[in-house]
Amino acid sequence: DVKVTQSSRYLVKRTGEKVFLECVQDMDHENMFWYRQDPGLGLRLIYFSYDVKMKEKGDIPEGYSVSREKKERFSLILESASTNQTSMYLCASSLLGNSPLHFGNGTRLTVT
Amino acid sequence: AQSVTQLDSQVPVFEEAPVELRCNYSSSVSVYLFWYVQYPNQGLQLLLKYLSGSTLVESINGFEAEFNKSQTSFHLRKPSVHISDTAEYFCAVSAGGTSYGKLTFGQGTILTVHP
Repeated sequence: DVKVTQSSRYLVKRTGEKVFLECVQDMDHENMFWYRQDPGLGLRLIYFSYDVKMKEKGDIPEGYSVSREKKERFSLILESASTNQTSMYLCASSLLGNSPLHFGNGTRLTVT
Repeated sequence: AQSVTQLDSQVPVFEEAPVELRCNYSSSVSVYLFWYVQYPNQGLQLLLKYLSGSTLVESINGFEAEFNKSQTSFHLRKPSVHISDTAEYFCAVSAGGTSYGKLTFGQGTILTVHP
């Protein structure tokens, strides 16, 4: 069974801090995604990657960057955290285009 | 670009009653459609998907959804719900081609099943 692991379940950071959210998948999937989930807004795509060192902006990339140095790991970086980035962050992976997405359990980030 | 609208933010029902969660989408290209479920404090899990073929798709736990191209809808139904179906449900759409499988999600519908 596919396992997508997000390194932290809860994080509390201060405004202006640099924040790293880590995600690892164990099934050699090509595609990896970062979404944020907010009540009433559903999930919104921040960035995705379809290959090592490749990245594409999603719908809301402002204030975020990503890194994919190895196939199994996809990191989300908040260069300077702000309170409006308080949210649930979900990582997902898929084998091919239009294969189902497999999600991690999420990281709830609070920026104070 | 695609968009998804889930018409109900919350749906309360009694156990063993039927339920329908509504989903409409818009897209200028052919799409693939998905329903995901999120139980409390968990990530999302795939419930069912429509890629091609029969417009009626079913899940292993009794849910079904019908792709209606003319009405651009993909409503989720279950004839008799259980307490354990209480969760948030997300409709999602993906374009084909070089979309790399990225999904556009609706706002979510919280289904609460009461005893």
